[in-house]
Amino acid sequence: GAGVSQSPSNKVTEKGKDVELRCDPISGHTALYWYRQSLGQGLEFLIYFQGNSAPDKSGLPSDRFSAERTGGSVSTLTIQRTQQEDSAVYLCASSLGQGASPLHFGNGTRLTVT
Amino acid sequence: QKEVEQNSGPLSVPEGAIASLNCTYSDRVSQSFFWYRQYSGKSPELIMSIYSNGDKEDGRFTAQLNKASQYVSLLIRDSQPSDSATYLCACRPTGGGNKLTFGTGTQLKVEL
Repeated sequence: GAGVSQSPSNKVTEKGKDVELRCDPISGHTALYWYRQSLGQGLEFLIYFQGNSAPDKSGLPSDRFSAERTGGSVSTLTIQRTQQEDSAVYLCASSLGQGASPLHFGNGTRLTVT
Repeated sequence: QKEVEQNSGPLSVPEGAIASLNCTYSDRVSQSFFWYRQYSGKSPELIMSIYSNGDKEDGRFTAQLNKASQYVSLLIRDSQPSDSATYLCACRPTGGGNKLTFGTGTQLKVEL
């Protein structure tokens, strides 16, 4: 596709429910990243996939958060038993994964936990 | 110490002036540096990348890198109201694979 595609664009859920956020990276990009941005804050790294290597999960804030990337393309970020502090914009990015290649971001999913 | 530090601003400049945005980083051997622009409610978009010491120019934008001082800056010449946004500095730390570490951003306001 032309760019990184994320869905849904907005998600409102009740505290305690599970949510799934989807990311479709740019075709040919081997690296995929999840970040989150709380209101007025910077980007917080969550998880990074590079090709067939084991993902870098060092940024996941708790074991309620998990992500997978199927077939080296589409990724799903799952948040179980959502809490109000999970409310944020979840941004997905992809890159060529080589050397100094920059990240290209999707439009994000705005998650609101009520 | 944060890995990437930026003054949160807001930085206000008059239209037509030069806006200077600054960033320092803690990982001495970081090799790649990026400036992203983020409009309110939108996702970050890449403006400039820089990898070598010195200046890199692209239109009205100039990125400057000084690895000895661990300092990256972005100059915007002939600032326009449409440049009003938050500017995020990012670096690729050593041993971090290809992930980027971002600063918290500097809000720029270009006033008429």
